Amino acid sequence: DTGVSQNPRHKITKRGQNVTFRCDPISEHNRLYWYRQTLGQGPEFLTYFQNEAQLEKSRLLSDRFSAERPKGSFSTLEIQRTEQGDSAMYLCASSSGLAGGPKETQYFGPGTRLLVL
Amino acid sequence: AQSVAQPEDQVNVAEGNPLTVKCTYSVSGNPYLFWYVQYPNRGLQFLLKYITGDNLVKGSYGFEAEFNKSQTSFHLKKPSALVSDSALYFCAVRHGSSNTGKLIFGQGTTLQVKP
Repeated sequence: DTGVSQNPRHKITKRGQNVTFRCDPISEHNRLYWYRQTLGQGPEFLTYFQNEAQLEKSRLLSDRFSAERPKGSFSTLEIQRTEQGDSAMYLCASSSGLAGGPKETQYFGPGTRLLVL
Repeated sequence: AQSVAQPEDQVNVAEGNPLTVKCTYSVSGNPYLFWYVQYPNRGLQFLLKYITGDNLVKGSYGFEAEFNKSQTSFHLKKPSALVSDSALYFCAVRHGSSNTGKLIFGQGTTLQVKP
């Protein structure tokens, strides 16, 4: 399978615990995006990377959230001291081409569903 | 600020009938517009996009969308619905001059196709 993969697919944790999600983009895609989707809503942008550089962060990304893409390949999203409001689907997408250009299309992974008890 | 509105939470259509899922947008400058579909417990699957040129865009699985600049709309259509088209559909917009590529999504429309 050459699509975007995310692990784990589901995560249940207790409030206050730390969690980490992984995203493996489509090979050769230089851009990687993280979005959060809550029930009944569309995905909301969190952050994105061009290669290993994190170029933009949403105000939704509080200081408890951190994302990395150390070698410009896979990415991790960590949430520290989780809160019940963090319960959501976390989606990763990757793309290639000129950033924001006409040829750029984002392809999404299956998501990681987080439940904070 | 960029925004997308999908005015219908749910659309019901009989199999074999044409379907339309509505989307309107607000963005300064030229928009890039997208439709994605989401099946239960799955990620988003790209259907089609409008960048420039012909206002009628054809995409995957027989779907098409019509860009209407004067009405700031980008409605998704299909001439003959299938039961398997039942899913959650998202419209998204990106500013044509954006250098970040981030997408702004609508809240989604559930399409229910009944046999």
